[in-house]
Amino acid sequence: AQSVTQPDIHITVSEGASLELRCNYSYGATPYLFWYVQSPGQGLQLLLKYFSGDTLVQGIKGFEAEFKRSQSSFNLRKPSVHWSDAAEYFCAVGPLTGNQFYFGTGTSLTVIP
Amino acid sequence: NAGVTQTPKFRVLKTGQSMTLLCAQDMNHEYMYWYRQDPGMGLRLIHYSVGEGTTAKGEVPDGYNVSRLKKQNFLLGLESAAPSQTSVYFCASSYVGAYEQYFGPGTRLTVT
Repeated sequence: AQSVTQPDIHITVSEGASLELRCNYSYGATPYLFWYVQSPGQGLQLLLKYFSGDTLVQGIKGFEAEFKRSQSSFNLRKPSVHWSDAAEYFCAVGPLTGNQFYFGTGTSLTVIP
Repeated sequence: NAGVTQTPKFRVLKTGQSMTLLCAQDMNHEYMYWYRQDPGMGLRLIHYSVGEGTTAKGEVPDGYNVSRLKKQNFLLGLESAAPSQTSVYFCASSYVGAYEQYFGPGTRLTVT
């Protein structure tokens, strides 16, 4: 069963514009939530994570994400996008069933000048 | 620190051939993972290990075997490669209880 949904396959934004990438999860309890970024030809790098506490979490490269329990969402935001942010972004949840992690299908971000 | 390294970076196999992918980490992480990444599918967990000598199945384990004989190494084996195993394979590792994973650069495998 799909535990993580990223409804946007591809998003294009202009440099300097704001960004929001959506992530929804389906799990009974509140799992740990993560956002990773993958630049072309590279492995994944952690942007930020949510375990508990403050529902607005700050990450690297100016990204933040907000956990909303009522909506089972963990959306990633950035106030002003830079051309270097062009990449693929993955939401992940875990650990579930043992020590397994589930990733969304990813959102590809294009930044236009 | 090299972090997580993967060997080889690229490989082409013929159907039925076998091969082993090597993952090594120098961060003294307990947990290690093997994922495959396919277009439109995101990353899917193949197998994982919570410590030396222990392995467990993930979401898509069929056709793969793994071994964790040393804490720093996690091997992924394909005994009889199939075209459906054409993919990019990523290894990752993490500390116990920390859960954020550190990824290697990936291995691109093509099975013809």
